[in-house]
Amino acid sequence: RKEVEQDPGPFNVPEGATVAFNCTYSNSASQSFFWYRQDCRKEPKLLMSVYSSGNEDGRFTAQLNRASQYISLLIRDSKLSDSATYLCVVLNSGGYQKVTFGTGTKLQVIP
Amino acid sequence: GAVVSQHPSWVICKSGTSVKIECRSLDFQATTMFWYRQFPKQSLMLMATSNEGSKATYEQGVEKDKFLINHASLTLSTLTVTSAHPEDSSFYICSASGGRDLYEQYFGPGTRLTVT
Repeated sequence: RKEVEQDPGPFNVPEGATVAFNCTYSNSASQSFFWYRQDCRKEPKLLMSVYSSGNEDGRFTAQLNRASQYISLLIRDSKLSDSATYLCVVLNSGGYQKVTFGTGTKLQVIP
Repeated sequence: GAVVSQHPSWVICKSGTSVKIECRSLDFQATTMFWYRQFPKQSLMLMATSNEGSKATYEQGVEKDKFLINHASLTLSTLTVTSAHPEDSSFYICSASGGRDLYEQYFGPGTRLTVT
């Protein structure tokens, strides 16, 4: 089983739609979780951290479910500019920081 | 804040030569820096983690002698691809942590390496 798994998509959604991505992780001791956004041929950019209590930033909501070992990202009222690949990142600290990226979920918002 | 620069942004080199890539944290001290490689249409693959002043920790399958990492200061890490081959052609991205949130990583813009 991969350490971090994501549905690669692509998710094709119309403008204004609500879309959700999930990401599962295998290490129950994982400590920190993030969602990054990566545009084609660019470096990833931090979208938001994922806290145990959930995290909301405008149209974006991230949730963590430790019991089921997954995190989610919900995007409401999708914009064309939301088209990108969304990467789930899991951080473990034990001696040194171990960072694992998911393969990413591609989102295409259609006019 | 939390800006990371990388240099060069792209490089073309001949097979057998060595290429050095620099990663700098411009406005914070990076206690940890990460080096990633990304092939087309694939996710980032962590190559190694380095802490300032100590040897890098390489991921399984990454050759230490081929990918030399030096983290000499809290603002600079370098990756040297030695005796580059065409299969080393890739997008190399560094990231740094140690900013306001210790666990958040800030990425450099990446270096596109093409080995001919």
